[in-house]
Formats: sequence, structure tokens, C-alpha cells
Amino acid sequence: AQSVSQHNHHVILSEAASLELGCNYSYGGTVNLFWYVQYPGQHLQLLLKYFSGDPLVKGIKGFEAEFIKSKFSFNLRKPSVQWSDTAEYFCAVNPSLTGNTPLVFGKGTRLSVIA
Amino acid sequence: NAGVTQTPKFRILKIGQSMTLQCTQDMNHNYMYWYRQDPGMGLKLIYYSVGAGITDKGEVPNGYNVSRSTTEDFPLRLELAAPSQTSVYFCASSLVLDTNYGYTFGSGTRLTVV
Repeated sequence: AQSVSQHNHHVILSEAASLELGCNYSYGGTVNLFWYVQYPGQHLQLLLKYFSGDPLVKGIKGFEAEFIKSKFSFNLRKPSVQWSDTAEYFCAVNPSLTGNTPLVFGKGTRLSVIA
Repeated sequence: NAGVTQTPKFRILKIGQSMTLQCTQDMNHNYMYWYRQDPGMGLKLIYYSVGAGITDKGEVPNGYNVSRSTTEDFPLRLELAAPSQTSVYFCASSLVLDTNYGYTFGSGTRLTVV
């Protein structure tokens, strides 16, 4: 069965610090990869996605993620975080060649940005 | 365009009671999903549906039932509520055979079983 590992449970950063959240998955075939964000009290929203092409994908609000196939990784980055980035971030994966199988989510990483 | 609508937003149930969590979408998505979210555990799939009349179990289906009589609606039923079902429940939908756009999530139902 597929699994998604997010290495950091809780990350605390000061404003303007750089962010990198790790995500590794356990599926050996072609995959679609996603990062979702959940702001406090809200539902999940799509931050960015990768399904083919350039392995460096850019999403909303200055976030980007790099797909490294050899490492089974899809790490999320942002050069300079803001207080408003305080949220929980979820990595998700599903195979892209076997139909619309449901997404498998990681356990999430809580990001707290302090002034 | 409302997207995915879940009701109620909050509910407190007593052990043994039953209830239905409602989910409806107006995007003509064939695929719909129910996830539960517990602190530090991420989202776990309860049930999903690939179209009207078709449902399938996810990772944690015990204690729940679903039905899909129309494309728009995908209610989740708890027959005998237990404290272990205290959680936040999210409904989501997606296009047929196309997850390139990801899922559209509802705003969630926070359920407490006491």
C-alpha cells in the first residue's frame, strides 16, 4: 500500500525565515503529487500539484515544490515565510496511471510563524 | 457556484445515537470522498464513490455507512456513535479520471461523541 511520510510534525519559524517541509512517498510507479494547506479553522485548499513535466512546480502564495524521482520526494519550500503562512500542510499522492484512486495523505506538518 | 457543502458544521452526539453527515456538490463531479481528520494523524479515507450507485471502503470504514443515490449527494451515516468517532469529517469531490486539479473539500463537520 502507498504511504506518505512527512518528517516534521511541528515547525516553528520566525517571519522572513526560509521554509522546507519534507515529504516522501512509497509508490514505485508514476504518481501525481499534491500539497494542501489548511489554515486554522478552515478546510483544505490546494497549494500546488505535480503530475508531469518540470519537476519544480510553483504554487500560490510564493510556495514551490521539487519532485525528485530518485528520492521519492516532493519537498515544499518558500524563501521567506509570513505570519499568515501559519497553517497545517499536507502532502498527498496517488498513482496517475491506475485511474482515480483516492489520494493518500501524510500526517501533516504544523507550521507556526512567529513575529 | 457553492462547491462542496457539508452540514452540520458542529454536532455533539451521545454514545449509541445515530446521525447523518450531509455532503452535496454542484460541480458535476463523479468522484466523492469522506475523510476523517484526527490531530497528528492526517486525513484517513472512510469511504469513496466513483459515481451514483457505486461506493467503496477506504482505510477506516468500520462504524460508518454511505450511499450515493445521486451525483450531487454523498451522505455519511453513523449508526451507533462511539467516542472513537469524535473527529473532524471532510467531504471532497473530484473530476472523473482526473486528479490533476486535486480535490475540492467541504468546510468540515466537527463531531464530538460523549
